[in-house]
Amino acid sequence: KAGVTQTPRYLIKTRGQQVTLSCSPISGHRSVSWYQQTPGQGLQFLFEYFSETQRNKGNFPGRFSGRQFSNSRSEMNVSTLELGDSALYLCASSLKGYEQYFGPGTRLTVT
Amino acid sequence: QKEVEQNSGPLSVPEGAIASLNCTYSDRGSQSFFWYRQYSGKSPELIMSIYSNGDKEDGRFTAQLNKASQYVSLLIRDSQPSDSATYLCAMSAGSGGSNYKLTFGRGT
Repeated sequence: KAGVTQTPRYLIKTRGQQVTLSCSPISGHRSVSWYQQTPGQGLQFLFEYFSETQRNKGNFPGRFSGRQFSNSRSEMNVSTLELGDSALYLCASSLKGYEQYFGPGTRLTVT
Repeated sequence: QKEVEQNSGPLSVPEGAIASLNCTYSDRGSQSFFWYRQYSGKSPELIMSIYSNGDKEDGRFTAQLNKASQYVSLLIRDSQPSDSATYLCAMSAGSGGSNYKLTFGRGT
């Protein structure tokens, strides 16, 4: 069974721009979660979607948003990028939400 | 206030020895506990999950959970050079409920 895939793998953006990251979960998984990983803060939860509904949300500003499509694929969007948004963005999929399996991540650099 | 505490390490273990990794947590509502392994430059990989008090063994890995003392540990037997990685402890309050947010420690 194919794992979680994320695109793009690497991205360089300028402050003030916006970015959209994509995640395709493991086939059959309906829960998709997003995390931000930085050396300073570690792994932090952004939000979780299940059957196109946001079930949980972390403590991030409204510039961070996401959505899930009927095929369980998910996207997250960051608007008005700041230097501090430079991080590894990880998507994880799960059958129901418990055991989560991570994709390879998208490395975002904001200059 | 940190919710999940892990020894920051680094932890050095001779080949063939037992590595012991510990994690304490503050949220008594936590129900599900996980250990992830993350190699440098890679994403976290789920290696163990544990939901009830006691020990759970899977190959060379044993996870131990004590909810009363609010700690979870991971033992790696017969440690190999390929085990060199950052080990992340994670937990969620999800247990038939709706909170599937994973809270991670900083890793050992």
